[in-house]
Amino acid sequence: NAGVTQTPKFQVLKTGQSMTLQCAQDMNHEYMSWYRQDPGMGLRLIHYSVGAGITDQGEVPNGYNVSRSTTEDFPLRLLSAAPSQTSVYFCASRPDRGGTGELFFGEGSRLTVL
Amino acid sequence: AQKITQTQPGMFVQEKEAVTLDCTYDTSDPSYGLFWYKQPSSGEMIFLIYQGSYDQQNATEGRYSLNFQKARKSANLVISASQLGDSAMYFCAMTPMDSSYKLIFGSGTRLLVRP
Repeated sequence: NAGVTQTPKFQVLKTGQSMTLQCAQDMNHEYMSWYRQDPGMGLRLIHYSVGAGITDQGEVPNGYNVSRSTTEDFPLRLLSAAPSQTSVYFCASRPDRGGTGELFFGEGSRLTVL
Repeated sequence: AQKITQTQPGMFVQEKEAVTLDCTYDTSDPSYGLFWYKQPSSGEMIFLIYQGSYDQQNATEGRYSLNFQKARKSANLVISASQLGDSAMYFCAMTPMDSSYKLIFGSGTRLLVRP
């Protein structure tokens, strides 16, 4: 019972490099989302998806792209990494589009941009 | 726009005592859900409790209860009989019951339980 799986757990990038954070869930959840966590600022929503083929922006979408080609996968792409994107990233999913269900979180991915 | 405010960056509580973590929210949506999550030092996010805006009674889950005061737009978490393992960051979050389905988090409160 894997739940929400994020890879990689740790990554160091140089400014300007691109990379993709992978997120997969095996619970057939419709809703998936990406958050970043910075000290003193809690979790901020980057992008979210309410189903395959449907994505939308959260609070801090600049510098990130997402796509949702399948129910299971929701990758987060950094097109040109900047030091301001140094953070811990969490992927989270929820069973349905409604707001009452708890979010199931991945273990987080710690990204450092030099 | 929705907003969650947690005004206590850090708190101490003595083991076995009760503690209240404050959370206020701002929304114009008539229907919404409120959540509390715990994040221990290991980093994972653990769901604690949920309260719907139309729920008549305050939610409870074991030692956790949510003191929901709709008119004051507050959703405080009460932890009874604190344990050392309760030392962690606690996040309040809200989701409107509209088409956005966003879950917005507060900045968190760090709780330290003293033996």
